Amino acid sequence: SQTIHQWPATLVQPVGSPLSLECTVEGTSNPNLYWYRQAAGRGLQLLFYSVGIGQISSEVPQNLSASRPQDRQFILSSKKLLLSDSGFYLCAWSVGGIGNSPLHFGNGTRLTVT
Amino acid sequence: AQKVTQAQTEISVVEKEDVTLDCVYETRDTTYYLFWYKQPPSGELVFLIRRNSFDEQNEISGRYSWNFQKSTSSFNFTITASQVVDSAVYFCALSVGFSGGYNKLIFGAGTRLAVHP
Repeated sequence: SQTIHQWPATLVQPVGSPLSLECTVEGTSNPNLYWYRQAAGRGLQLLFYSVGIGQISSEVPQNLSASRPQDRQFILSSKKLLLSDSGFYLCAWSVGGIGNSPLHFGNGTRLTVT
Repeated sequence: AQKVTQAQTEISVVEKEDVTLDCVYETRDTTYYLFWYKQPPSGELVFLIRRNSFDEQNEISGRYSWNFQKSTSSFNFTITASQVVDSAVYFCALSVGFSGGYNKLIFGAGTRLAVHP
């Protein structure tokens, strides 16, 4: 069966520090991968999605970047965090090539920028 | 433009009450997909249902049922005989861009459901 791992679960970082959140998927090949952010008390905003290694599409111009160095690995990064980067970050995967396949989410990372 | 509106921010019910969560969507596409997700206090989103735009049949799964009406662009979710374990934030989502082989979900703001014993 497929599983998705996301870490760390919580993170407190000072303004201006770098960020690296990692997500890996097991039990499937060529998945679509996604990064969403959920601000406190709000809905989910799509940040990035990827349909293959090295292929990243950005939805919202921002202080963050994403990379997919391996088929089942998706990394969210920032060189210098801003206070507004605080939030709950969720990684998700869906079956590659099938546009209506449900997204399956990880447990999320709660990021607090101080 | 595609949009999902969940007008109910919070709902509070007593156990065993029935509760309906509203979802209204906007899209110009004739083919689209709608989803419901549950986010319990632990934080992860749990997939509940997917419905395509050509299937307006209501669906029932245990205590859960969904009413899809294209005429009103609504995809409402009803929990019958609610239980404390149903307490969570529920998100409705619309799928766009799926012709590209990926699934860009546009989420509503969510409805927080609190079921009290």
